[in-house]
Amino acid sequence: SQTIHQWPATLVQPVGSPLSLECTVEGTSNPNLYWYRQAAGRGLQLLFYSVGIGQISSEVPQNLSASRPQDRQFILSSKKLLLSDSGFYLCAWSFKSSYNSPLHFGNGTRLTVT
Amino acid sequence: KNEVEQSPQNLTAQEGEFITINCSYSVGISALHWLQQHPGGGIVSLFMLSSGKKKHGRLIATINIQEKHSSLHITASHPRDSAVYICAVRSDSNYQLIWGAGTKLIIKP
Repeated sequence: SQTIHQWPATLVQPVGSPLSLECTVEGTSNPNLYWYRQAAGRGLQLLFYSVGIGQISSEVPQNLSASRPQDRQFILSSKKLLLSDSGFYLCAWSFKSSYNSPLHFGNGTRLTVT
Repeated sequence: KNEVEQSPQNLTAQEGEFITINCSYSVGISALHWLQQHPGGGIVSLFMLSSGKKKHGRLIATINIQEKHSSLHITASHPRDSAVYICAVRSDSNYQLIWGAGTKLIIKP
């Protein structure tokens, strides 16, 4: 069966520091991968999605970037964090076979920028 | 106005009550998803619907395509059902997922 791992679970970082959140998927190959951010009381916001190694689409211009160095690894990064980057970040994967394939989420990372 | 609206935003009920959470949308869709987010933050997919009704245990999801409305029902609710329930629709024009803001459900023992 497929599993998704996301770490760390919580992170407190000072303004201006770098960020690296990692997500890996096991039990499937060539999945679609996604990074979402969830602000309190609001719907999920798609930040990045990837359909393959090195292929990243950005949905929202921002201080963050994403990379997919391996088929089942998806990394969310920032060179210099801003206070507004605080939030709950979720990684997800889906099968490529259908647009309606359900999303499978990691447990999320709660990021606090101080 | 958001393209996906959920109601109520918050719902508190007693154990055993029948729960209904609503989702209305204003765009053409190819599918609608219901998901559950636990207090710790993890999100689990409950249902994916394009028509009719689906049932899984005590959970029932219905969709009315003509009225652009879906409901999630929980029968014999239990404190462990306490979570945020999220509706999301897949646009049939650009295939993007559009997310509702969620309904926070608390079931008291």
